[in-house]
Amino acid sequence: NAGVTQTPKFQVLKTGQSMTLQCAQDMNHEYMSWYRQDPGMGLRLIHYSVGAGITDQGEVPNGYNVSRSTTEDFPLRLLSAAPSQTSVYFCASRRTSGRYEQYFGPGTRLTVT
Amino acid sequence: QQQVKQSPQSLIVQKGGISIINCAYENTAFDYFPWYQQFPGKGPALLIAIRPDVSEKKEGRFTISFNKSAKQFSLHIMDSQPGDSATYFCAATSLIQGAQKLVFGQGTRLTINP
Repeated sequence: NAGVTQTPKFQVLKTGQSMTLQCAQDMNHEYMSWYRQDPGMGLRLIHYSVGAGITDQGEVPNGYNVSRSTTEDFPLRLLSAAPSQTSVYFCASRRTSGRYEQYFGPGTRLTVT
Repeated sequence: QQQVKQSPQSLIVQKGGISIINCAYENTAFDYFPWYQQFPGKGPALLIAIRPDVSEKKEGRFTISFNKSAKQFSLHIMDSQPGDSATYFCAATSLIQGAQKLVFGQGTRLTINP
């Protein structure tokens, strides 16, 4: 199993550009989520999904869109990048029953200039 | 507002010493408290977790102490080693609500000096 994979690993955007961060998991997990990590702020939930076709907002959803068309994939779209979105982004997945261990991807470091 | 408050932000401990990281929460609906360990350039990984029906859980050199009445929990790392140097996050969620939102503390950067 590859676990949770994310692409790209690094990205530099100019203000106003759009892009999609890719996330995939091969563990057949129902639950997937996106976090951003900023110094002193911990990990903050952006959006999450409990299954294909179902998404919901987390703590800091503004400026981001998500969709979940398959169990495996959960892309995060930045509609119009802003310097405040400079961060490290982590995708995560887990089962929705049993042990609630959440598996994280390796992260995408995004810089918006 | 920060639902889980973690301290200290950074901690330096000598090899062989005890590392202690503290967390406090407000939401009494939280009923599952995991700790995650993150090495530089990697995603966080589950280290140890506790439910509030026990006051302590130990796995090797890592122990969670839980005080339900004070709404506080802490991670103790005994005989700390340089390989333990990492960022540690406490977290909380509610299994009753399907554990849909895992709320993290601010993180503690731990450095173990050899």
